Parts: sequence; C-alpha cells; structure tokens
Amino acid sequence: QQQVKQSPQSLIVQKGGIPIINCAYENTAFDYFPWYQQFPGKGPALLIAIRPDVSEKKEGRFTISFNKSAKQFSLHIMDSQPGDSATYFCAASGHGNKLVFGAGTILRVKS
Amino acid sequence: DAMVIQNPRYQVTQFGKPVTLSCSQTLNHNVMYWYQQKSSQAPKLLFHYYDKDFNNEADTPDNFQSRRPNTSFCFLDIRSPGLGDAAMYLCATSRDMVPGPQHFGDGTRLSIL
Repeated sequence: QQQVKQSPQSLIVQKGGIPIINCAYENTAFDYFPWYQQFPGKGPALLIAIRPDVSEKKEGRFTISFNKSAKQFSLHIMDSQPGDSATYFCAASGHGNKLVFGAGTILRVKS
Repeated sequence: DAMVIQNPRYQVTQFGKPVTLSCSQTLNHNVMYWYQQKSSQAPKLLFHYYDKDFNNEADTPDNFQSRRPNTSFCFLDIRSPGLGDAAMYLCATSRDMVPGPQHFGDGTRLSIL
C-alpha cells in the first residue's frame, strides 16, 4: 500500500514533443505529490508538486494532472528540449513527510 | 544561496573500514533525511531527524548510524561497509514533518574496495 508505481521505465521523444509520465498510488493518506528531476551525478531537484485538492498545476513547461478518484497523477513536459533529458521520479508523502518514490523514468529528448 | 551541501562528493573506503559522510544545510530546516540510492534505482529512506529526535526506518541495517550535533549538520556513519553498501547517499531537508517540499543535496558517491 506504500508503493508508488511509475511508468514508463524509459521514454524517447523528439525535440518539441510532449513526454507524459504516469504514476499511481494506493495509500489514500498521501497528501503531497512531488516530481523530481535528476541528472547523472546530481541529487534530485524538486520540479513541481501538487496536493490532492487540485486537479492540475502548471509551472512553466511542466504540468501535473491529478485524478484523486483514480489515485493517479502524471507529468507533462511541453515543448521538450534536449536539456530536459534526465531521470524523473514521482513521489508521494503523507503524515511524517516520508517520501515514497516511484521507480523513475529515463527521458531522452532527441534534437 | 541557501542549500544542502554534502561532503565529500566521492568517497572510497575499504571493505569493513568505518566511513562518515557529512551534510550541512543553510535552510534552517527542522528535518534532515538520509537516503540511499543505488544505480538505476529510486532513493530509499534510511532515517531522519526531526530536530534532535532520531527516527530509523524499520529495514535500515544496524550498520548505518546517524548523528545530528546541531540544526545545520547531520552525519551518516557506516560502521562496517560491505560491498552492497556502495551507492549514492543523499541528504535532504524539509521545514517540518507536514507533507511538503524536501530539498536534496548532490550526494556522496561511496565506493567500497
């Protein structure tokens, strides 16, 4: 019940395309859903986050869609660029703010 | 800039030789976390401190210990590193225990000879 399932494992898109990464959770006590971007040799960087009282949040080219009834959320990257090539992790946390991470998606944006 | 700083970035130790990794933060956050991230895997929480209160995850091996002498610093001690402990160790902070942003350092890559 503590798991967050993330798909796909890897994704290749052309520059300008819109990669979509999906996550699903079971624990209804989760109250905070962040997305992290990680480059090789670096720590995860918080990209964007959403709380379950909102269905969509947009920051720049990044959008989170959240479906509370389905217990699913997704990340969309608009007008993707080669510099967006990285590993993306979804996560969820509840009481105690312990992050449970998805397995990660390796994104490659081809120029 | 306020940040989470980990030292060293790379650490090599011998099998069974104790090693200490350090983390400092200028965010003045109450909570500090240690995660282990193995190659091509997600970070896995080892333990966290809320102020001086230490909280160990149930599946964290006894080989791993932590110290937090003050708000700004936190240490990860691995008493007898095994080959399976080779990983990236990430420190993170958050303001408090309410669900919200965690800010990560760039990690220490630990290799075991």
